[in-house]
Amino acid sequence: EIVLTQSPGTLSLSPGARATLSCRASESVSSTYLAWYQHKPGQAPRLLFYGASNRAAGIPDRFSGSGSGSGTDFILTISRLEPEDCAVYYCQHYDNPLWTFGPGTKVEIK
Amino acid sequence: EVQLVESGGGLVQPGGSLRLSCAGAGFSFDRYYMSWVRQAPGKGLEWVANIHRDGTQNYNVDFVRGRFTISRDDTENSLYLQMDNLRVEDTAVYYCAREGAYGYSPVFDYWGQGALVTVSS
Repeated sequence: EIVLTQSPGTLSLSPGARATLSCRASESVSSTYLAWYQHKPGQAPRLLFYGASNRAAGIPDRFSGSGSGSGTDFILTISRLEPEDCAVYYCQHYDNPLWTFGPGTKVEIK
Repeated sequence: EVQLVESGGGLVQPGGSLRLSCAGAGFSFDRYYMSWVRQAPGKGLEWVANIHRDGTQNYNVDFVRGRFTISRDDTENSLYLQMDNLRVEDTAVYYCAREGAYGYSPVFDYWGQGALVTVSS
C-alpha cells in the first residue's frame, strides 16, 4: 500500500510570496496517477492538477505542479500568493482500484 | 452543468445505520465510476469506496470492514452508501465524487457539497 506524506503541515506566508508544497510517496509511483486538490472550509474540494503537472480547467497559472515519469517526490508551487489561496492542499494517488490522499498542507496567509 | 447533491446525513447512535444518497445531474451518470470520500472533523480527506459502471465495488479496507455498501441506480442517476454498525469515528462529512479521466489520468473531477454524518449517543 502506497502512503503519501505531505510537508509542511502548515505554511504561513505573506501575500505575494511563493509557496512550495511537497508530496512524497512511500515508493515510486507514476506521475500519471498523481493529482492535487484544493479544499476550502465549507466547500467541495477542487481539482488543481492531474498527471502531477497538468493544470485543470480554470486554475490560474500562478499554480504549477512538478513531477514526470515515475518517482517519489512531487511539488505544488503557488507563486504570488493571494488571500483566496487560503486552503488545505491534498495530493492523491490512484493505485487501481484504490485511491489514497495525503494528509494535506494547510496554507495560511499572514 | 454537472451537479452532485448528497442527502441523508444526520445524527445516529453508535451501532446504528444510515443511508446516504447522491443525485447526479448534467452528465451521463451511467458512463462514470463514482466514489464516496469523507472528512472527519479536523482531519483530511479519506477515500471510502467506489463503484464502477458495471457495479464492481471497491472499499477502503482500513475502516469499512464489511460495514458499508456502495450501490448505484443509473435509472435514477443516483449513488448510495449504506452504512451499518456505525462508530463514533465514522463521524464526518461524506462527499460523493465523480471519477473522470483526463488523458490517462484518473481524478475526482466533480464533487458534491457533502453530507454530515454524526455518530453519537
